Amino acid sequence: QVTLKESGPALVKPTQTLTLTCTFSGFSLSTSGMRVSWIRQPPGKALEWLARIDWDDDNFYSTSLKTRLTISKDTSKNQVVLTMTNMDPVDTATYYCARIALHGGSNYFDYWGQGTLVTVSS
Amino acid sequence: EIVMTQSPATLSVSPGERATLSCRASQSVSSNLAWYQQKPGQAPRLLIYGASTRATGIPARFSGSGSGTEFTLTISSLQSEDFAVYYCQQYNNWPPEITFGQGTRLEIK
Repeated sequence: QVTLKESGPALVKPTQTLTLTCTFSGFSLSTSGMRVSWIRQPPGKALEWLARIDWDDDNFYSTSLKTRLTISKDTSKNQVVLTMTNMDPVDTATYYCARIALHGGSNYFDYWGQGTLVTVSS
Repeated sequence: EIVMTQSPATLSVSPGERATLSCRASQSVSSNLAWYQQKPGQAPRLLIYGASTRATGIPARFSGSGSGTEFTLTISSLQSEDFAVYYCQQYNNWPPEITFGQGTRLEIK
């Protein structure tokens, strides 16, 4: 059974760095072809893809946010970590981690975490 | 960046009727398109991938069609549990730059 769960601070101050952890089970990020992404959703708004990390340590970022994002993994702990620097109130959102389906060349999400709401406010 | 545009923003349909949701890409994404359903307070759920393939466990009343820039999600006979927000997502680029539509809210008429 595949599960993912996000964890991190519920509240951060403007200009601070946000660190979120995705802890997953039911699959391994050392398996060839496995990939995990972060996606966010401001309250009442649409989904926005942020970053992806692959089993072979390749990583990819949203063009508009790439200067602020870092994605990494700890395969032994079954975790993926996202850091976002210089947080602003517009970054207030629910942050999801999601597994990318293990289909050759696919980039759609077959399992999602429950999401964690991050509010940016002083 | 490929822009995904969904229409309408809100669709009001009676239970038992058919719902047709549209998604348009700003450039061709071939068949690299997925649909998700999201209910309040929940994460999105994968419905369709490859434009027309139902994900595991998705009822047959959900169907997807289209290729290139024009896509449709059809729900043939709406059940109460189908009222939700639906998002399309393209995954055609390399390097990957995944984009979602702005969503269609399907509400009870």
